[in-house]
Amino acid sequence: GQNIDQPTEMTATEGAIVQINCTYQTSGFNGLFWYQQHAGEAPTFLSYNVLDGLEEKGRFSSFLSRSKGYSYLLLKELQMKDSASYLCAVSPGAGSYQLTFGKGTKLSVIP
Amino acid sequence: DGGITQSPKYLFRKEGQNVTLSCEQNLNHDAMYWYRQDPGQGLRLIYYSQIVNDFQKGDIAEGYSVSREKKESFPLTVTSAQKNPTAFYLCASKVNTEAFFGQGTRLTVV
Repeated sequence: GQNIDQPTEMTATEGAIVQINCTYQTSGFNGLFWYQQHAGEAPTFLSYNVLDGLEEKGRFSSFLSRSKGYSYLLLKELQMKDSASYLCAVSPGAGSYQLTFGKGTKLSVIP
Repeated sequence: DGGITQSPKYLFRKEGQNVTLSCEQNLNHDAMYWYRQDPGQGLRLIYYSQIVNDFQKGDIAEGYSVSREKKESFPLTVTSAQKNPTAFYLCASKVNTEAFFGQGTRLTVV
């Protein structure tokens, strides 16, 4: 089976840095995705990691450690518009195209 | 512009009626997915399809049906057997390192 864990909620201050963690236990691994979802809207794609290490994309970075079953999303220079839910999803691979999501982390950015 | 189109955006259904949600993509992606999201909850997988004329049940397939007659299209039917169908339904498509969502359909049973 697949199990993906994220913290339920986090709060951070405008201008600060926040790290959102995701741990996973899956029957295989073929990549990890991060999405941002504002309330009432569809998720938007942020990043994809399949190899260990850090992928940087502007203010957002994503890190993966396959041996530890661990990823994090790092948001720098937080802005009020970053208040949203952040979803971690894993593609288990091994011939399966299944894409399984964690329950998401609701981030509140405060002034 | 390439993307995924879901329609309608809002849908109201009477109890006991079947209803079909549309999902079309022009990204040439092989894999397509249907998810359900309840308020304050994560995404739960209903069905997914890897290729045309093939699809697999996800975690909550009961009360739903799908078809994949064309690569571009993956419609979801919510049947009367689904006891609690009111939810936000999201369609997605994926190829290797990319996976994108449609805008979603908010279904309400009245």
